Amino acid sequence: EVRLVESGGGLVQPGRSLRLSCTGSGFTFDDFAMHWVRQAPGKGPEWVSGISWNSDTIGYADSVKGRFTISRDNAKNSLYLQMSSLRPEDTALYSCVKAKIVVVKNSPLEDWGQGTLVTVSS
Amino acid sequence: DIQMTQSPSSLSASVGDRVTITCRASHSISNYLNWYQQKPGKAPKLLIYGASTLQRGVPSRFSGSGSGTDFTLTIGSLQPEDFSTYFCQQSSTAPYTFGQGTKLEI
Repeated sequence: EVRLVESGGGLVQPGRSLRLSCTGSGFTFDDFAMHWVRQAPGKGPEWVSGISWNSDTIGYADSVKGRFTISRDNAKNSLYLQMSSLRPEDTALYSCVKAKIVVVKNSPLEDWGQGTLVTVSS
Repeated sequence: DIQMTQSPSSLSASVGDRVTITCRASHSISNYLNWYQQKPGKAPKLLIYGASTLQRGVPSRFSGSGSGTDFTLTIGSLQPEDFSTYFCQQSSTAPYTFGQGTKLEI
């Protein structure tokens, strides 16, 4: 059974940084691209960032480009999201998502974690 | 960015009804269109990918069609557990945008 467990969320002041982590189990981690998707309270999902199996291809939403950095450590079955210059509009539940294939493009989002809540407020 | 527009935004139906939800892309996305179901307090669940391929374990009453800019999700005979919110998402061009959702209610 695929399991994705996120951590690192919390309350943070605007302008500060936060690092999210996700650990995967129940599958061969480096066989799949991975993504971060967020969902603000009462809103639909918003794709944030994706990374290919070997970190060759990385993409970001325009709203986070230049502020967020995605990375992965296949030896640790882990995915990360380094978030800086946080804004109130970044407040959301951040979910780690396993793609259906190795690449970022054209990859359906197959398995989702339960998410970690990030609240940006003074 | 490619905009995804779903209609309707909400839909009232009954058990046994056949319902169709549409999703329109602002630019052609070939068949790189995915459908998800989300229940309150839960993560989205992949139903259909590649516009028409049923994800394993998803009941056959769900079906998808379309290519280019216009797509549909059809539920053949509504079951009580189908009353949820449905989202389309394009995986053709980053950023991989979602539609605004369709809430299916009794």
